[in-house]
Amino acid sequence: KAGVTQTPRYLIKTRGQQVTLSCSPISGHRSVSWYQQTPGQGLQFLFEYFSETQRNKGNFPGRFSGRQFSNSRSEMNVSTLELGDSALYLCASSPGSPNEQFFGPGTRLTVL
Amino acid sequence: AQKVTQAQTEISVVEKEDVTLDCVYETRDTTYYLFWYKQPPSGELVFLIRRNSFDEQNEISGRYSWNFQKSTSSFNFTITASQVVDSAVYFCALSEARAAGNKLTFGGGTRVLVKP
Repeated sequence: KAGVTQTPRYLIKTRGQQVTLSCSPISGHRSVSWYQQTPGQGLQFLFEYFSETQRNKGNFPGRFSGRQFSNSRSEMNVSTLELGDSALYLCASSPGSPNEQFFGPGTRLTVL
Repeated sequence: AQKVTQAQTEISVVEKEDVTLDCVYETRDTTYYLFWYKQPPSGELVFLIRRNSFDEQNEISGRYSWNFQKSTSSFNFTITASQVVDSAVYFCALSEARAAGNKLTFGGGTRVLVKP
């Protein structure tokens, strides 16, 4: 089975721009979660989608949003980028809950 | 609120030594799940183990073993006879059943450096 894929792998943006990250889960997995990893804050949960509905949300501002499509693929959007949004964004998929989550390689976002 | 603490930020050992990673958690939920993940230099988090709050049996998988003690809210991880390939950052994580999903709260991670 193919693993979780994330595109793009690297991204450079400037402050004020917006960005969309994509995640394709493992086939058959209906839950997709997003995490932000930074040296200062560590790994933090952004949100989870299950069957196209947001099931959980972390403590991030409204600039961070996401969605899930009927094929379980998910996108994450960050608007009005700030320097502090520079991070590794990890996507994880799971067949349901509570289950182990399988992570993708991440998208490294740099905001200049 | 849930919290996971990994007090050791970095551990350095020589190959073949044993290394134990500490994990202490806080939760008000009676049903919860504990995880360990490995993050090698490539960056991808690799799942190692899941343990639910009702199963305090220790587990061994090859050179890896886990010690779960509810009385001390700890879920420690031991690598026996460490190898250079074990060099990575290891994360302990908690998921509460009442969250009705897969929200993971991670500890800060412990970087393990195994020297040849």
